[in-house]
Amino acid sequence: KAGVTQTPRYLIKTRGQQVTLSCSPISGHRSVSWYQQTPGQGLQFLFEYFSETQRNKGNFPGRFSGRQFSNSRSEMNVSTLELGDSALYLCASSLEAGRGGELFFGEGSRLTVL
Amino acid sequence: GENVEQHPSTLSVQEGDSAVIKCTYSDSASNYFPWYKQELGKGPQLIIDIRSNVGEKKDQRIAVTLNKTAKHFSLHITETQPEDSAVYFCAASKAPGGGNKLTFGTGTQLKVEL
Repeated sequence: KAGVTQTPRYLIKTRGQQVTLSCSPISGHRSVSWYQQTPGQGLQFLFEYFSETQRNKGNFPGRFSGRQFSNSRSEMNVSTLELGDSALYLCASSLEAGRGGELFFGEGSRLTVL
Repeated sequence: GENVEQHPSTLSVQEGDSAVIKCTYSDSASNYFPWYKQELGKGPQLIIDIRSNVGEKKDQRIAVTLNKTAKHFSLHITETQPEDSAVYFCAASKAPGGGNKLTFGTGTQLKVEL
């Protein structure tokens, strides 16, 4: 059974640009969550999608957005990049949303903003 | 919002010894407490979790205890092995509804020395 796949694995952008990250969940999983991981702030929740609807949102500015498609694949977008957006962005999938249970994380997309 | 504190930040033990990592949470409504292990270059992986209606849970060499009154929970690893070396994160969330919206602790770097 294939795990969570995130693309691209590494990318470099400059300030002011935008970026789109993609996540393919485990087959059959309908919930996708996104987390930002930095040395200073640790792991922080961005948002969660289930059945193409955003169910929960973390405390990030509106520059961070996401969406989920009918096949459960998800994308997140960061516009007007800032240096502080440099981080590992992790996607996690699960069978259900909201009830708590195992999240299966991908290996992440490492974004560097110059 | 929820705040999760985790101690210690680094922990070094001899192979075969036990390791204990402690976390406290602030929101008494939190009811789901997972522990994740993250190896270098990989996403976090669930190792054990506990819900607020249970005081203790064990899975082979790993156990978690929860004290709801004091709002703290702990991870216990017995008979540590070199492959236990990794970063461990505790987390908390509120289910249903916010079960996948995890608030993570800052992590513990565990090193098991031969």
